[in-house]
Amino acid sequence: ELKVEQNPLFLSMQEGKNYTIYCNYSTTSDRLYWYRQDPGKSLESLFVLLSNGAVKQEGRLMASLDTKARLSTLHITAAVHDLSATYFCAVLAMNRDDKIIFGKGTRLHILP
Amino acid sequence: NAGVTQTPKFRVLKTGQSMTLLCAQDMNHEYMYWYRQDPGMGLRLIHYSVGEGTTAKGEVPDGYNVSRLKKQNFLLGLESAAPSQTSVYFCASNAGGGTEAFFGQGTRLTVV
Repeated sequence: ELKVEQNPLFLSMQEGKNYTIYCNYSTTSDRLYWYRQDPGKSLESLFVLLSNGAVKQEGRLMASLDTKARLSTLHITAAVHDLSATYFCAVLAMNRDDKIIFGKGTRLHILP
Repeated sequence: NAGVTQTPKFRVLKTGQSMTLLCAQDMNHEYMYWYRQDPGMGLRLIHYSVGEGTTAKGEVPDGYNVSRLKKQNFLLGLESAAPSQTSVYFCASNAGGGTEAFFGQGTRLTVV
């Protein structure tokens, strides 16, 4: 059964600093999603990673996927307050089920 | 372009009452999903569908039923609501194959 673990679950950081959120998963997959959620809002798609070695960047966020290690990272460069949110990774189960399973999320708080 | 629309947005139920949540998408997506979100638990998959007339169990299916009679609609039913079903419910859809999944705005359900 597919399990998805994120760490850290909570992160408080200063503006201007760099940091990385990690997403590990337990079974083979080469489809990984990153979402952002603001308080009281729905989920906004950030990245869809479709193969081993995939790297995508948007502004100060960069996501990568290593399917052999079953690991994805979301790197934040020079954080700004507007990036404060909860970030979720989700993984597609690569079997007949086609389920999308989420991690518990990383609550990111960026201090001015 | 409405995307994914959930009805209702808020609801309060008494224990033992029944209700149906409606998810409608206008993107001609094959796959649809129902999740619940609870504090500290991330999003947990309740049921999902890989096409009209199909449904499958997710991670936490007990106490819920679903139907996908039309491709654009995915219904989530609670036959006898319990306080443990107090949650925020999200519907999502995608074209399958690891494509981007789009979320509705959520339904906040309280069972008293």
